[in-house]
This record gives sequence, C-alpha cells and structure tokens, in this order.
Amino acid sequence: SQKIEQNSEALNIQEGKTATLTCNYTNYSPAYLQWYRQDPGRGPVFLLLIRENEKEKRKERLKVTFDTTLKQSLFHITASQPADSATYLCALSYGGATNKLIFGTGTLLAVQP
Amino acid sequence: EAGVAQSPRYKIIEKRQSVAFWCNPISGHATLYWYQQILGQGPKLLIQFQNNGVVDDSQLPKDRFSAERLKGVDSTLKIQPAKLEDSAVYLCASSLGSGTGDYTQYFGPGTRLTVL
Repeated sequence: SQKIEQNSEALNIQEGKTATLTCNYTNYSPAYLQWYRQDPGRGPVFLLLIRENEKEKRKERLKVTFDTTLKQSLFHITASQPADSATYLCALSYGGATNKLIFGTGTLLAVQP
Repeated sequence: EAGVAQSPRYKIIEKRQSVAFWCNPISGHATLYWYQQILGQGPKLLIQFQNNGVVDDSQLPKDRFSAERLKGVDSTLKIQPAKLEDSAVYLCASSLGSGTGDYTQYFGPGTRLTVL
C-alpha cells in the first residue's frame, strides 16, 4: 500500500540556519507533490508545488526538491526565523486529474531565537 | 478574498449522539473536500465533491458519516451516531477544480470534535 514518511521527531534549529525536512514515499508515482504549513488550531496553508518532471522549485526562502528515483522530496527553509516554527506537511497527488492528495504525518519545526 | 469558512469551531458531544459540520468554500471553487485529522497525523480525505457531485467517498465510513453539497456551494458533513474514535479535527478545503491546472487546496480553520 501507499506510504508517506516524514521526520517523526521534531526538528529544532537555531535562527538563521537552514532547516531541511524530508518526505519519503513508497509504492507510489505522484504527478506532483505539495508542501503545506500548519499552525496550531489552524488549517494547512499551501506553500509550494513541484511536479514529477521538475527537480527543484524555489519561493523566497523556501526550496523544494523532488527525486522520483529516490522517491523523496526535501523541503528547505533558509535563514530560518522563529516565525517559521510550525508543522510542515508533504502531500502527494493521486487519482489522476481529480487533484486528490494523500498527506504525510508532518514534521514539527521549532526555530530557536 | 474571503477564505473557507467552517462552523462550529468546537463541538463536544456524547458517544452515540449526532453532529453536523458546515463549510462554505471560496467563491467560484468547484471542488470541495472534507478531511479528518486525528491528533499527530496528517489530514485524511473523507469525501471530495466536484460541484454537487461526489468524486471520491471511498474513505468515508458510510454507516455513520454522510455529506452533501446541495447547489454545488455549501456543504455539510454529518456523523450519526458518533463514536469515541471520531474525535478529531474536521477540515474543509476547496480548490478551483479539476482541469484548471491549479492544484492549490485552501483549507478552513477546522472543527474540533470531542466525543466523550
């Protein structure tokens, strides 16, 4: 069956450093992958989408890579700030054109000042 | 632009009682999703609508859960009767729709359900 794994433990880093979050999947060939941010008590907020034929995508301090051979995506936040502290969810598409997503369990990022 | 609206924000009920959640998607969004998010897990899709038709309800426990999207706008999700394991946050999301090339899903704040 399909399986998505994200860092199960919280990631603690110092302000100014680069945070790297991992999303691994098995038994799956998604057409695209998305990353969402979720703050406590709120719904997820879309950050970035990367398609299967793209290796890398950037948006301001965010960078996503997608390796379909390794079945892995890496999510980087450069020059991290305490305001970046949140849970980050990766989501993989399935179901063709119906835009359905299967979410990972998320990684809690804590940026220390 | 107004976001996805959900109500109520919180609900506490006894097991075997009924509960209903309401969602108003972003105007013009054809696709509406209901997700269940159990503490410590990612959202799990329960049902997806395209306009007022069901696209996927394969993970909806149909013996107790039902959902409708009359007129292709607002949607309600009902649980009857509730079980302890239904305690979770119920998230509604919307997107422009299949075929638009825009795959962003916009989420509401969720309804936190506690079943005692």
